[in-house]
Amino acid sequence: QKEVEQDPGPLSVPEGAIVSLNCTYSNSAFQYFMWYRQYSRKGPELLMYTYSSGNKEDGRFTAQVDKSSKYISLFIRDSQPSDSATYLCAMTSGRYSSASKIIFGSGTRLSIRP
Amino acid sequence: GAVVSQHPSRVICKSGTSVKIECRSLDFQATTMFWYRQFPKKSLMLMATSNEGSKATYEQGVEKDKFLINHASLTLSTLTVTSAHPEDSSFYICSAVPLGDRGIWYEQYFGPGTRLTVT
Repeated sequence: QKEVEQDPGPLSVPEGAIVSLNCTYSNSAFQYFMWYRQYSRKGPELLMYTYSSGNKEDGRFTAQVDKSSKYISLFIRDSQPSDSATYLCAMTSGRYSSASKIIFGSGTRLSIRP
Repeated sequence: GAVVSQHPSRVICKSGTSVKIECRSLDFQATTMFWYRQFPKKSLMLMATSNEGSKATYEQGVEKDKFLINHASLTLSTLTVTSAHPEDSSFYICSAVPLGDRGIWYEQYFGPGTRLTVT
């Protein structure tokens, strides 16, 4: 079983729709949960992160973590064509990169149709 | 700020040759740089951790003699793929952690990646 599972998509939705992206994981030691956005031929950029369980909102983006179910989600409201990208979930157990690796999901390719 | 560049962005080489990929932090000094490999529709896989002035730490299953890493300065790390084969074709991404930071994971800035194709 992979440590982090993510549906690769592709996911295509019309502009203005609400998008739901999800990941499941198996390692209960994970404490930090992140979402990265990666445009074609570019490196990932950190979009949002959440520590432990709960919700976090930033503009049109909401990240949710349910540690009891080992399930995380990213919601995008009022989706725009510029949101078209690959979204990678990631997680790590520790605060310092020297002590704990970041484990990435395989990414979900999202396309927003105008 | 916090820009990381990679060069080249794309390279095609013949089987058996070596290829060097550079990773530079443009506006900050980096204590640590990481090298990742990304296959299509697959996760980013950490290959190695590079600290300036010391030997790189390789992840299990990564051949250190095949993927040579040199972190010669606080702004430059290089990855050399030696005797490349078609199975080495992949997208290679580096990331850098600013000097003075204790390495908090979110203080990690990614480069744009290098697409390597071995024919």
